[in-house]
Amino acid sequence: NAGVMQNPRHLVRRRGQEARLRCSPMKGHSHVYWYRQLPEEGLKFMVYLQKENIIDESGMPKERFSAEFPKEGPSILRIQQVVRGDSAAYFCASSPGTENYNEQFFGPGTRLTVL
Amino acid sequence: AQTVTQSQPEMSVQEAETVTLSCTYDTSENNYYLFWYKQPPSRQMILVIRQEAYKQQNATENRFSVNFQKAAKSFSLKISDSQLGDTAMYFCAFMGGSGGTSYGKLTFGQGTILTVHP
Repeated sequence: NAGVMQNPRHLVRRRGQEARLRCSPMKGHSHVYWYRQLPEEGLKFMVYLQKENIIDESGMPKERFSAEFPKEGPSILRIQQVVRGDSAAYFCASSPGTENYNEQFFGPGTRLTVL
Repeated sequence: AQTVTQSQPEMSVQEAETVTLSCTYDTSENNYYLFWYKQPPSRQMILVIRQEAYKQQNATENRFSVNFQKAAKSFSLKISDSQLGDTAMYFCAFMGGSGGTSYGKLTFGQGTILTVHP
């Protein structure tokens, strides 16, 4: 059973370009979470999605950031017009979506560098 | 809002010895879970141990155990018989249970860098 997959593992963008980060959850998992880790810091929650539905986006910056988890295909975190402050590691996690406890399994992360 | 605080930026220990990493948290929720995650240089997040708040018994996973003090909102991790492979950043994390405002999202502390010396 493959784990959570993220691609690309490393992404370099120039200021003003768009970044698209992809996350394929573990087989059978219907819930996806995105976290951002700035250098020397802990992970910060960004958004929690189910298929075709955003459950909680309280951690998403109000502008330039969006996320989706379509019925088919991976979850996408999209950052428009990137700035240097967007440079970070972006982690995706997935869970099966059981009632009481959603153990989250993490992918290897995408390291975004904005030049 | 929930907060998680790790007051030890760095710790070191000799191989085979025991080390304890500290974590405190703040929440108004009654139903929640606490976790310790390990992040080695590969940056992969690995779940080390989990504690359900409604359980009084401290969780144990092989060489890893926790000291959960609910009233004090303290959740420390003890690593026994430390091994070189334990060298990593360790994060304490909180997640609210079903029905709570923080259900499904993990709140992490700042992390503690643990170095195990041979």
